[in-house]
Amino acid sequence: DIVMTQGALPNPVPSGESVSITCRSSKSLLYSDGKTYLNWYLQRPGQSPQLLIYWMSTRASGVSDRFSGSGSGTDFTLKISGVEAEDVGVYYCQQGLEFPLTFGSGTKLEIK
Amino acid sequence: QVQLKESGPGLMQPSETLSLTCTVSGFSLTSNGVGWVRQPLGKGLVWMGTIWAGGSTNYNSAVQSRLSISRDTSKSQVFLKMNSLQPEDTGTYYCARHGGGPFAYWGQGTLVTVSS
Repeated sequence: DIVMTQGALPNPVPSGESVSITCRSSKSLLYSDGKTYLNWYLQRPGQSPQLLIYWMSTRASGVSDRFSGSGSGTDFTLKISGVEAEDVGVYYCQQGLEFPLTFGSGTKLEIK
Repeated sequence: QVQLKESGPGLMQPSETLSLTCTVSGFSLTSNGVGWVRQPLGKGLVWMGTIWAGGSTNYNSAVQSRLSISRDTSKSQVFLKMNSLQPEDTGTYYCARHGGGPFAYWGQGTLVTVSS
C-alpha cells in the first residue's frame, strides 16, 4: 500500500499568515499520462471533507485562490496564503494512483 | 446540484451485518462512480471501496472479505453491506462521488456504532 505521511503545523497560526502543509508518499504519484494523482481535502469541525485540490495543483470548483498545491512525484505542499477563520479544520492528502486508495493522517490547522 | 445522503441503522451488535444506503441526486450512477469512506471517531479517513460507472467494484483488501458494494441505478442508490461487524468498525461512514479521480462530492455521513 502507498503510505501518505503528513507534517504538522505550529498551531495556533496567526490570522493572515501563510502556511504550508506537507505530504509525502512512499511511491511516486506521477503517472504516465503526465498527471500526479494527489488530492487535498479540508474537513472543517463537524463537517464532511471537501475537495480543495486534485491532480496535485488543480483547484476544485469554488475553492479560494488562497489555496494552491505543488510538489514533485513524492513530496507535496498545500499552501494557504493568508489564513482566515474559515480555514480551521483538518487537511488530508490522498493518493489516487493505485488501490487501495490511501489518505494521510491529517494536519490540523488552528488559528489565533 | 450534486447531493449524496447516507442512511442506515445507528447501532449495531458485534457479528451483525451492516447495510447502508447512499441516495444520490444531481448526477447519474451510470456516468459516475461512488465510493465509501470510513472515519473512526476522532481519527482519519479510510477508503473502503468504490462502485464504478460501469458497475464494476474495487475494495480495500483490509475489508474485502467482509464488504460488498452494489447499486440500483433506477433508484439512484448505492448500497454497502459489511458482515461480521466488530467494535473497531465503529465510525462515520461517508459516500462520495468518485469519478476515477478525487472524491469530488461527499455526503453528510452516517454514524455507525458497533456495541453489545
